[in-house]
Amino acid sequence: SQQGEEDPQALSIQEGENATMNCSYKTSINNLQWYRQNSGRGLVHLILIRSNEREKHSGRLRVTLDTSKKSSSLLITASRAADTASYFCATSYNTDKLIFGTGTRLQVFP
Amino acid sequence: EPEVTQTPSHQVTQMGQEVILRCVPISNHLYFYWYRQILGQKVEFLVSFYNNEISEKSEIFDDQFSVERPDGSNFTLKIRSTKLEDSAMYFCASRELAGVTDTQYFGPGTRLTVL
Repeated sequence: SQQGEEDPQALSIQEGENATMNCSYKTSINNLQWYRQNSGRGLVHLILIRSNEREKHSGRLRVTLDTSKKSSSLLITASRAADTASYFCATSYNTDKLIFGTGTRLQVFP
Repeated sequence: EPEVTQTPSHQVTQMGQEVILRCVPISNHLYFYWYRQILGQKVEFLVSFYNNEISEKSEIFDDQFSVERPDGSNFTLKIRSTKLEDSAMYFCASRELAGVTDTQYFGPGTRLTVL
């Protein structure tokens, strides 16, 4: 079955630094999405990248996808304290069921 | 901006009791989902719903679970006889378009605590 695994599990940085989170999965995908979850709250959609795309940008977010390595990365540039949250990748393949990864807990210190 | 809403935000119940979790998807969305997240674990898919019927369900979604769209706006998840292991955050999501590449928008979740 598809399975997303993020690394690192936890990441602590200072405001202004860049944060990079990685996601690996096991099977084919149609697309990969990144979501953010503030502590105990709902999931906020950040960005979707399709399997035929290699890179996508949205504001301070940059997502890459390497289907040959079955991996994706999420880069947050010039991080802010408000970026503190858990970040999850989620994949789907020939179904709209999302398979979520284990998540990376990001802590940004002011 | 339209958003998915869920009620209640927190539900406490006794083991064996029935609970109904409610969701109001985004108004022009056609596809609806329930996911759950046990504390400290991954978000897991439960069920997808389209055109008034279940399109896909996971192994978790056994006979104790059911979903319904009782009117044009609400989407509910019922657990008939709750177990301790049903304690989790339950998320509703909705999607607008056909196809497998469109974004699912999630609600804020209902935290279910089974005592």
